[in-house]
Amino acid sequence: QQQVKQSPQSLIVQKGGIPIINCAYENTAFDYFPWYQQFPGKGPALLIAIRPDVSEKKEGRFTISFNKSAKQFSLHIMDSQPGDSATYFCAPQTGGTYKYIFGTGTRLKVLA
Amino acid sequence: DVKVTQSSRYLVKRTGEKVFLECVQDMDHENMFWYRQDPGLGLRLIYFSYDVKMKEKGDIPEGYSVSREKKERFSLILESASTNQTSMYLCASSFGNKPSYEQYFGPGTRLTVT
Repeated sequence: QQQVKQSPQSLIVQKGGIPIINCAYENTAFDYFPWYQQFPGKGPALLIAIRPDVSEKKEGRFTISFNKSAKQFSLHIMDSQPGDSATYFCAPQTGGTYKYIFGTGTRLKVLA
Repeated sequence: DVKVTQSSRYLVKRTGEKVFLECVQDMDHENMFWYRQDPGLGLRLIYFSYDVKMKEKGDIPEGYSVSREKKERFSLILESASTNQTSMYLCASSFGNKPSYEQYFGPGTRLTVT
């Protein structure tokens, strides 16, 4: 767990705002950088992921920014909606181990 | 759609009881995982298995054991439940040899040990 630092712990934004969640890591062997989304009463589900050969990936309203030299990656949610209210986890992985290291989670609340 | 199911959504057990948590996946995944989720600590890996009858310790294996007799089923065993094992337990599975590494999670079992 100490290898990954996720911030902030919680976040409240107005509808339409752009929440940004950050994940800093230490292990330079990580080669897969996903974000998972978890709604109350459900297990986490993969939201979006990036590999270290690109600096940004966009899927719909969700964007990952990746900064290899700074060893951090971020999740941006454009035009946030109340339905985006959930807990978000970064979970970088080293492919050969099939193991994730999960961040501590960010609880996002989007106000209507 | 990949489906990972867990035997119970809620479970209440007494201290010292032996507890079995069952997980079944229907996508022929090689890898299966057990995590516990606690507020402020995220998900912590207890055990994982990359093949039938194979298992490896995760970050917090103490007080737990696992069993994988069939590819689709992975069981977590608390030999003698203690109150500090009260938690949300999540099972996950993934392909063993595909590059996506995506893990598919079950809905979780909320275990309370009294």
